[in-house]
Order: sequence, then structure tokens, then C-alpha cells
Amino acid sequence: GAGVSQTPSNKVTEKGKYVELRCDPISGHTALYWYRQSLGQGPEFLIYFQGTGAADDSGLPNDRFFAVRPEGSVSTLKIQRTERGDSAVYLCASSPRPGQQSNEQFFGPGTRLTVL
Amino acid sequence: AQKITQTQPGMFVQEKEAVTLDCTYDTSDPSYGLFWYKQPSSGEMIFLIYQGSYDQQNATEGRYSLNFQKARKSANLVISASQLGDSAMYFCAMRPFTGGGNKLTFGTGTQLKVEL
Repeated sequence: GAGVSQTPSNKVTEKGKYVELRCDPISGHTALYWYRQSLGQGPEFLIYFQGTGAADDSGLPNDRFFAVRPEGSVSTLKIQRTERGDSAVYLCASSPRPGQQSNEQFFGPGTRLTVL
Repeated sequence: AQKITQTQPGMFVQEKEAVTLDCTYDTSDPSYGLFWYKQPSSGEMIFLIYQGSYDQQNATEGRYSLNFQKARKSANLVISASQLGDSAMYFCAMRPFTGGGNKLTFGTGTQLKVEL
């Protein structure tokens, strides 16, 4: 498909486990974003990649969270020692032409993470 | 820092009527963009409309228009001729154009229900 894809769509894990969430952006989009959406809230920014590098990781809540984008396309969000408070929907978005002010972000369907 | 306030947790509108969803924002940045997204029950965020802070005219996209009042720091979304398929969660968001701003800050959303 032509849109942003995320896998898995659902992930259930136990407290203390490690998880990886994957995002496949729209082909050719240089910017990639991760957001977290808790129940009843709007998405909250986690990290932004421009190409392979993290241009802004100010939204990562602590050092258990880490994200990579080694080839400037697919990105993986990694969460170590998961806690119940990490349960949320993790949304990925991508955008082209990062210098353009009206640059909209195209979102994927999200990964629903449940930590038991 | 940016803040988005959406004071209407839920709204009802009859089919074919117009509805206004409120959004106020707070920022110290002199230039910024305002966005509205729709999130159906499927979870995917769908971009609706964009307004730049220096745009002279209010943005319109089909049945969507943005009532931008810069002095009041409000950016209300107007949906004309509501359809059943408009039932969804609606989020207002902003992005500053200075200070390395690429991340979107979202409000808490308004749940819109269109009734027959």
C-alpha cells in the first residue's frame, strides 16, 4: 500500500519485557515521527527523524525508550523493561519536504501496546 | 511551549447541519501552523485542513473550513452539511515554525456524533 504501515497492530506483553514496534513510512518521505496516544488523550510527541538521525528526541519519556532509523526509511521504536504505564497506542507518521510550512504528517494505523 | 485546548469533549449534530468544533491555542512562537485531524474508530489520523499563522484568508477544504482568529488564538473547525461518516474524534494541533519545531502538539480532542 501507499500509506504508512505499522507492525504489529497489537502487542500484548508482560511487565519487564522488551518490545519493538516497527514503522514503514511512505516511500520517499524523509521525515518520520513517533507519537504515543493514551486513552482519551491526543497523541503526544516522542521523537522525530530527519533521514537517519534523530533531530528531536525531547519527547522520549525516559531512557527505556529508544528509536532507530538506520537506513533512513523503516524505523523501530524499542521499549525496554516495559511498565504498565507504557500501555498506549503508538502512532508513526511521515512527511515529505520538511522545509515546507504546511507540511502535513501522514499517520499510520498505530500499534496498540498492552503491558500486563 | 505550545498548548492546545479543546473544551468540547463531545458534540452532537444532525445530518446535513453545520457544526463548529472549538480550538484555542497558546504559543510564544511568532509563526506557526494549525492543523485539524480526524480519527475514526479505526484509529488512523486523517489530515483535514491547515492554516498558517500569516495566512490572510481562512483555509477551506471542501466541507471543512477553519475559522482562524489570531488575536483570540482560536482556530475553530467548521464542518458544513454533516454526514454520518463524519462521526469520529477530531483533534486540533499546532506546529511552531521556529525553534526547531516539527513536532505537532495536539489537544485532547472532540468526539463528534452525527445523527439522522
